[in-house]
Amino acid sequence: AQTVTQSQPEMSVQEAETVTLSCTYDTSESDYYLFWYKQPPSRQMILVIRQEAYKQQNATENRFSVNFQKAAKSFSLKISDSQLGDAAMYFCAYRTSGTYKYIFGTGTRLKVLA
Amino acid sequence: NAGVTQTPKFQVLKTGQSMTLQCAQDMNHEYMSWYRQDPGMGLRLIHYSVGAGITDQGEVPNGYNVSRSTTEDFPLRLLSAAPSQTSVYFCASSYSIGTGGVNEQYFGPGTRLTVT
Repeated sequence: AQTVTQSQPEMSVQEAETVTLSCTYDTSESDYYLFWYKQPPSRQMILVIRQEAYKQQNATENRFSVNFQKAAKSFSLKISDSQLGDAAMYFCAYRTSGTYKYIFGTGTRLKVLA
Repeated sequence: NAGVTQTPKFQVLKTGQSMTLQCAQDMNHEYMSWYRQDPGMGLRLIHYSVGAGITDQGEVPNGYNVSRSTTEDFPLRLLSAAPSQTSVYFCASSYSIGTGGVNEQYFGPGTRLTVT
């Protein structure tokens, strides 16, 4: 069975600084997808970034980028130039290609300090 | 498009009562799913559907029933509510782009359920 682990329950970052959120996963599959979701206090789940396992290039979306290490089964999220609006819970998620079952990590609460 | 809608937003039940959480999407998505979110446990899949008339169990299906009679609707039924079912429930939908495609999930706003 696949698992997703987020070992940092809470992180803090100063406004305009950079922070990295960690995620590791376990799977025996070779074709899968990884996602980072943001959940602000409004409770709405928002997709931040996604990565196809077959792509070696790390995904980037504006200030958000990932460090995807397939051999190490690591998928960290880097937020550059942190803003107050980045404060939220961040969830890492996994899905095996060809299936519809998503597996979520337990989340990391990010605080942004002014 | 309204996207994914859920009703109600909040609900309080007494132990043993039954109720249905409603979920609807207007994006003609094939896939729909229900999750529960509990503190420190992330989102856990309850049931999912890959199309009208087809449903399957997720990680935590006990105590919940689902059906999918139309593409748009995917209600979640609590048969006999228990305090352990106190949680925030999310419905999500996704389109299919064939095998191997990346398709994001669109989430509803959630329902906070309290069982006393």
